[in-house]
Amino acid sequence: GAVVSQHPSRVICKSGTSVKIECRSLDFQATTMFWYRQFPKQSLMLMATSNEGSKATYEQGVEKDKFLINHASLTLSTLTVTSAHPEDSSFYICSAPMGQQETQYFGPGTRLLVL
Amino acid sequence: AQTVTQSQPEMSVQEAETVTLSCTYDTSESDYYLFWYKQPPSRQMILVIRQEAYKQQNATENRFSVNFQKAAKSFSLKISDSQLGDAAMYFCAYRRHGNTGGFKTIFGAGTRLFVKA
Repeated sequence: GAVVSQHPSRVICKSGTSVKIECRSLDFQATTMFWYRQFPKQSLMLMATSNEGSKATYEQGVEKDKFLINHASLTLSTLTVTSAHPEDSSFYICSAPMGQQETQYFGPGTRLLVL
Repeated sequence: AQTVTQSQPEMSVQEAETVTLSCTYDTSESDYYLFWYKQPPSRQMILVIRQEAYKQQNATENRFSVNFQKAAKSFSLKISDSQLGDAAMYFCAYRRHGNTGGFKTIFGAGTRLFVKA
């Protein structure tokens, strides 16, 4: 079946540093990928839509200069949290649609802790 | 704007029994997809079942089935013969049809399911 991977699965960093999270579609191409943020016991909040070959589309209230997205190829999208602060600590999940039925397949998520 | 509402924050079921999770949605579109996703403690989102709005027949996947009422904009999930491994957070989701890959998926707030042994 379709598989989406994320790396790293967990990261701890100091406040002020930048963190890059990778999302890969392993056995299919994805011109679009989605980045979500999930707080404990809450639903997924869409942050942005990553588009291969063009700029990402950010949801209202999401700082594009804070959360940099690069869709480098048809199988890779990266999310960089720049100058991370403790309030950026969260669970970040990516997804990619596959097939005509457009089902989203999700990565396993990345837990970010900013100290 | 489309919205998805799950009115049950938590549900509980006895092992081997049946439970129904509720979901309603709002849209002005006529063609769309509806999904139920499961998120176990590992937090990996897993597709449980998918329904195309143009299909009148309710989707089924083994012990999982849906009751899709398009006019009422209702999409409930029935889990039969509940197992301990079914304990998880369940999210109802909506997505417009078309523009492959381009339309975002809208999620409900989720329902946490507890399964009692």
